[in-house]
Amino acid sequence: GAVVSQHPSWVICKSGTSVKIECRSLDFQATTMFWYRQFPKQSLMLMATSNEGSKATYEQGVEKDKFLINHASLTLSTLTVTSAHPEDSSFYICSARELAESYEQYFGPGTRLTVT
Amino acid sequence: AQKITQTQPGMFVQEKEAVTLDCTYDTSDPSYGLFWYKQPSSGEMIFLIYQGSYDQQNATEGRYSLNFQKARKSANLVISASQLGDSAMYFCAMRDRPGGYNKLIFGAGTRLAVHP
Repeated sequence: GAVVSQHPSWVICKSGTSVKIECRSLDFQATTMFWYRQFPKQSLMLMATSNEGSKATYEQGVEKDKFLINHASLTLSTLTVTSAHPEDSSFYICSARELAESYEQYFGPGTRLTVT
Repeated sequence: AQKITQTQPGMFVQEKEAVTLDCTYDTSDPSYGLFWYKQPSSGEMIFLIYQGSYDQQNATEGRYSLNFQKARKSANLVISASQLGDSAMYFCAMRDRPGGYNKLIFGAGTRLAVHP
C-alpha cells in the first residue's frame, strides 16, 4: 500500500526558532500534498494544499509567511514553522495524493511539535 | 459551504457488541465523497471506509459498514463485533473540491471506548 512518512516524529524547539518538518511519499509520486494541524482533543484542520512545483494554497487564517511550505519534488514536501511560539505547539499531519482526480489521501504518522 | 457534523463526543460499547457512530453532512455539490478515519492514541490516521454520493449500495469493509442515507444527509459508521483495539477517535470527513483539489473537511470526531 501507499506509505507516507514524516520526519521528525516529534520535536521540541525554543520560542523564536524555526523548525522544518518533512513529508515523504515512499512508494508513489504525490501530485498533491496536504498539511493539517491538530490541537489536543480537536479535529484536523487543513492548513494548506501544495502541488509539486507550484506555490501552496493556504486556508483562510493560516499565515503563509509563518508556515512555509515547499513541494520541490513529487515525493517530498516540507513545512517550516518560522519564529515558533508556544501557541504553535500542535500535532502536524501531512497527507499525499497520487493522482489529481483521485479521492484517496494517504496520511503520514504525524509530527508532534512542542515550543518552549 | 460544506460541513460535517458529529454530535457524539464520546461513545461506550461492550466488547463484541455493535456500535453506530453518527455523521451528518451538508453540501450543495451533487458529487461528493464521505470518509471515515480511525485515529488511535498514536496519532496516525487510519482510513476505514469510503462512500461516493453516486454509489448505489452502502459501503462495507470487513467489520465496518456505512449506513448512507442520502435524503437525510447522514453517513453513519457501524462497527460490528467491537474489539478492545477499536478504542480510538473516529472522524467523519467529506471531500471538498474547490478548484479540483479534493481536500478533506473533518468533523469534530467521536471518541469510542470499548469495554471488556
